[in-house]
Amino acid sequence: AQSVSQHNHHVILSEAASLELGCNYSYGGTVNLFWYVQYPGQHLQLLLKYFSGDPLVKGIKGFEAEFIKSKFSFNLRKPSVQWSDTAEYFCAVNAVSSASKIIFGSGTRLSIRP
Amino acid sequence: NAGVMQNPRHLVRRRGQEARLRCSPMKGHSHVYWYRQLPEEGLKFMVYLQKENIIDESGMPKERFSAEFPKEGPSILRIQQVVRGDSAAYFCASSPGGTGGEYEQYFGPGTRLTVT
Repeated sequence: AQSVSQHNHHVILSEAASLELGCNYSYGGTVNLFWYVQYPGQHLQLLLKYFSGDPLVKGIKGFEAEFIKSKFSFNLRKPSVQWSDTAEYFCAVNAVSSASKIIFGSGTRLSIRP
Repeated sequence: NAGVMQNPRHLVRRRGQEARLRCSPMKGHSHVYWYRQLPEEGLKFMVYLQKENIIDESGMPKERFSAEFPKEGPSILRIQQVVRGDSAAYFCASSPGGTGGEYEQYFGPGTRLTVT
């Protein structure tokens, strides 16, 4: 069965610090990969996605993620965070060969100190 | 182009009552997905529907829960005889395609169900 692990439950950073949120998945086949963000009081928004091609994916708001197939990882990065990045971040995977349900990680809460 | 619409945004039910959650997909989308988010947890897949068909209901509890996506009108997630453990946020998502395609899912704002 597919699963997604997010290693950090809560990350606290100061503004301008660099960010890396870990994500590993377990599935042997071809996958689509996503990072979603949920700002306080708002619904899920797609930050970035990987379907195929260049494993380094650029998303909105300066975020990027790198798909490393050999490590089953899809870590999210941002070189310099802002207070407005305070939110919950979810890594997710969808197996291309199966019905299109998305499997989500448990989420990482990011708190940015101004 | 309006996004995915869900209503109500907040729903309070007493134990034993029925809860009906509605989801209108984005225009042009014929695939709908329901997810549940329990407190302090990530979203868990419940069911995947196309118009008039349930494609994958592997995440649905075996009893009390049902979903439909009729030819006309919104998708409905129905919970009969609610219990306190059903309290959660229920999210609907839609996409223009399904299996095997490079389709992302667009999420609605969710319905927060509270069972008292």
